[in-house]
Amino acid sequence: NAGVTQTPKFRVLKTGQSMTLLCAQDMNHEYMYWYRQDPGMGLRLIHYSVGEGTTAKGEVPDGYNVSRLKKQNFLLGLESAAPSQTSVYFCASSYLGGFRYRELFFGEGSRLTVL
Amino acid sequence: DAKTTQPPSMDCAEGRAANLPCNHSTISGNEYVYWYRQIHSQGPQYIIHGLKNNETNEMASLIITEDRKSSTLILPHATLRDTAVYYCIVESTGANNLFFGTGTRLTVIP
Repeated sequence: NAGVTQTPKFRVLKTGQSMTLLCAQDMNHEYMYWYRQDPGMGLRLIHYSVGEGTTAKGEVPDGYNVSRLKKQNFLLGLESAAPSQTSVYFCASSYLGGFRYRELFFGEGSRLTVL
Repeated sequence: DAKTTQPPSMDCAEGRAANLPCNHSTISGNEYVYWYRQIHSQGPQYIIHGLKNNETNEMASLIITEDRKSSTLILPHATLRDTAVYYCIVESTGANNLFFGTGTRLTVIP
């Protein structure tokens, strides 16, 4: 039981390049989330998904796109990377959402540097 | 949106109880209080949650005031491995975002 797995763990991009971060969970969770964390700051929600085939914007969605074609996978894409997107990205999943108790399970993070 | 206020840092002697306070004065009646922690640069880890009553599990205890405007996370016997950033969280309006603030950096001192 791997939980939440993120790939890649580290990546260096040049400004304008594109890339995709993959998040996979094996807990059959309905909800999945992408957060970013900048130095000295808390986590900020980029996008989330409440089920296969659905996505929604979070606090800081600009410059990112997401897809949830399979229940177990949540992809985060950067079409044209900018230095401001240098950050650590965390994926999370939860069984429930909404105004109900939920426990988020996080991956180990993906450290992205944009030069 | 209900937001939280936590002290930026605290120290605790190893073996003693660590009491981490949190203010959430604008919390709504159906919003849970959650506590997570983040050790070094790892992904955050769930600790405990509560709605109205005090809660206890194998990791910690959560004390919520009667008016629900504040809470305290208690680590009964802090160890060096408890050194981490602790986040007190309530759900934001819309209920699909757990708002992580900057948390409290707890340092357990030998």
